Amino acid sequence: KAGVTQTPRYLIKTRGQQVTLSCSPISGHRSVSWYQQTPGQGLQFLFEYFSETQRNKGNFPGRFSGRQFSNSRSEMNVSTLELGDSALYLCASSEGFSGNTIYFGEGSWLTVV
Amino acid sequence: GESVGLHLPTLSVQEGDNSIINCAYSNSASDYFIWYKQESGKGPQFIIDIRSNMDKRQGQRVTVLLNKTVKHLSLQIAATQPGDSAVYFCAEGLRTSYGKLTFGQGTILTVHP
Repeated sequence: KAGVTQTPRYLIKTRGQQVTLSCSPISGHRSVSWYQQTPGQGLQFLFEYFSETQRNKGNFPGRFSGRQFSNSRSEMNVSTLELGDSALYLCASSEGFSGNTIYFGEGSWLTVV
Repeated sequence: GESVGLHLPTLSVQEGDNSIINCAYSNSASDYFIWYKQESGKGPQFIIDIRSNMDKRQGQRVTVLLNKTVKHLSLQIAATQPGDSAVYFCAEGLRTSYGKLTFGQGTILTVHP
């Protein structure tokens, strides 16, 4: 069974631009969550989607948004990029029910210059 | 101002020793706890989880202990191998807060041959 797949793996963007990251969950998983990992703040929860609905949201500004498609694939978007948005963005998937194991992808490395 | 990187605790052991990694969690309402291993350049890899109605759970070469009285979690790795070298994170969550985990700062484990 393939794991959580994220694309692109690496990207460089300029301040003020926007970026879209993509995530394909493990087959059969209906929940996709996104995390940001930085040296300064560690791993922080962004949001979680299940059956195309956002069920949970972390404490990030509105520039960070996401969506989920009917096939459970998910995208997250960051608009008006700031230098501080440089981070590893991790996608995780699970079956979506109470206590299910959450599996992470390899992440997308975003550098904002 | 400038962001300051997290100063992660470190644990250095010899190959074949047993390792114990500790974690203090923050929310007394958390009822689900997970240990992840993250190697350089990769996403977090699931190791083992435990529900709040348990004190101990064993896996292959790993044991997780949960002390709810003092909000403490530990991961024991038996016969540590060089391939175990990585950053280890504990994460806590509510089984009803789908996909949302709060991560600890992590511990760097280095295993010397």
